Amino acid sequence: DIQMTQSPPTLSASVGDRVTITCRASQSISSWLAWYQQKPGKAPKLLIYKASTLESGVPSRFSGSGSGTEFTLTISSLHPDDFATYYCQQHDSYWTFGQGTKVEIK
Amino acid sequence: EVQLVESGGGLVQPGGSLRLSCAASGFIVSANYMAWVRQAPGKGLGWVSIIYPGGSTYYADSVKGRFTISRDNSKNTLYLQMNSLRGEDTAVYYCATLQSGSYFDNWGQGTLVTVSS
Repeated sequence: DIQMTQSPPTLSASVGDRVTITCRASQSISSWLAWYQQKPGKAPKLLIYKASTLESGVPSRFSGSGSGTEFTLTISSLHPDDFATYYCQQHDSYWTFGQGTKVEIK
Repeated sequence: EVQLVESGGGLVQPGGSLRLSCAASGFIVSANYMAWVRQAPGKGLGWVSIIYPGGSTYYADSVKGRFTISRDNSKNTLYLQMNSLRGEDTAVYYCATLQSGSYFDNWGQGTLVTVSS
């Protein structure tokens, strides 16, 4: 099974900060990676798929990069609405989520 | 507009059964890849079961042999039959569409299943 490891588990940041979350796969997954945002009590929301393709309607301050085993999600300038938990998910072999990264207010 | 509405969650004793439903609108369930994803309280996300348009089904090892995914084309509804429930099955269960069998692009609001005596 492919394991996905996100870092950091928690990230404290301020509005306007540039934020980067890393996701590592236990083996190469090419570019078969998606990112989701989840707020408390709500369903996850797809942000990015195929490592770097922005889902329709998602603000351009979100971007994804990487291939193989290392991937990043970047928020160029943190908005108040962006405080949430973010998950990566591989879809190269079955489907595995990372454990999540909580972005909290500093 | 794609809409997914789950129902059927609740409190059940260990060893019991429950059937979750996911009523879909705005698209045809049988023509799409469909999924159940769960999230234990305070924990991360995990896929539970997937059904392909052609009918192939997949299950996470933790539920294999106990859960069954199915669909009713006439009702445009997805189901998850859960038997022999355990405490570790306690979670919010989400219904989702799985774009091209890859990533989860539309989600329902979730239904809570609590397994406890």
